[in-house]
Amino acid sequence: AQRVTQPEKLLSVFKGAPVELKCNYSYSGSPELFWYVQYSRQRLQLLLRHISRESIKGFTADLNKGETSFHLKKPFAQEEDSAMYYCGINAGGTSYGKLTFGQGTILTVHP
Amino acid sequence: SAVISQKPSRDICQRGTSLTIQCQVDSQVTMMFWYRQQPGQSLTLIATANQGSEATYESGFVIDKFPISRPNLTFSTLTVSNMSPEDSSIYLCSVSRTGAGELFFGEGSRLTVL
Repeated sequence: AQRVTQPEKLLSVFKGAPVELKCNYSYSGSPELFWYVQYSRQRLQLLLRHISRESIKGFTADLNKGETSFHLKKPFAQEEDSAMYYCGINAGGTSYGKLTFGQGTILTVHP
Repeated sequence: SAVISQKPSRDICQRGTSLTIQCQVDSQVTMMFWYRQQPGQSLTLIATANQGSEATYESGFVIDKFPISRPNLTFSTLTVSNMSPEDSSIYLCSVSRTGAGELFFGEGSRLTVL
């Protein structure tokens, strides 16, 4: 079965500093990886997915199959980036459409 | 996108009682899911709500405890039965239009069991 690990429950950085939210997964096949974000008093929403290889709000994430990682990075953090971030995996097959999430990381960006 | 409404948004319940959470989507969707978000813990998938048939439960979740209905392609309910304080959590309805991993979430139903 697939599994996602986010080792940091809390992450604090100062505005303008680089930030990296770690995500590791275990799955024997070819997974699809996602990052979801939940801002204060808002619903959970998709931030980005690995297959689109895009940058959203300055965030990027590269799938590293060798290290089974999908870390989320931003070179210069902003205060509005403060939120809860979840890494998720779609295993496909009979699990198609379902996402398994990690424990989540609360990012706080200080002024 | 999809607009998802959940009711109730929050509730405080007594131990041993049951609560039904409703999820309404603004248009037909193929896949609907129920997740649980416990304080300090991960988002955990409870089950897939299947239209016209029994829900598909994940390991650790059973129908007697979390009965789910899905009478049509826009509506589903999750019941939390015989509640205990351990059931205190946020319950989230989510839908997928494509199965490609993009989920839309409701605002959640925050349940507190005393």
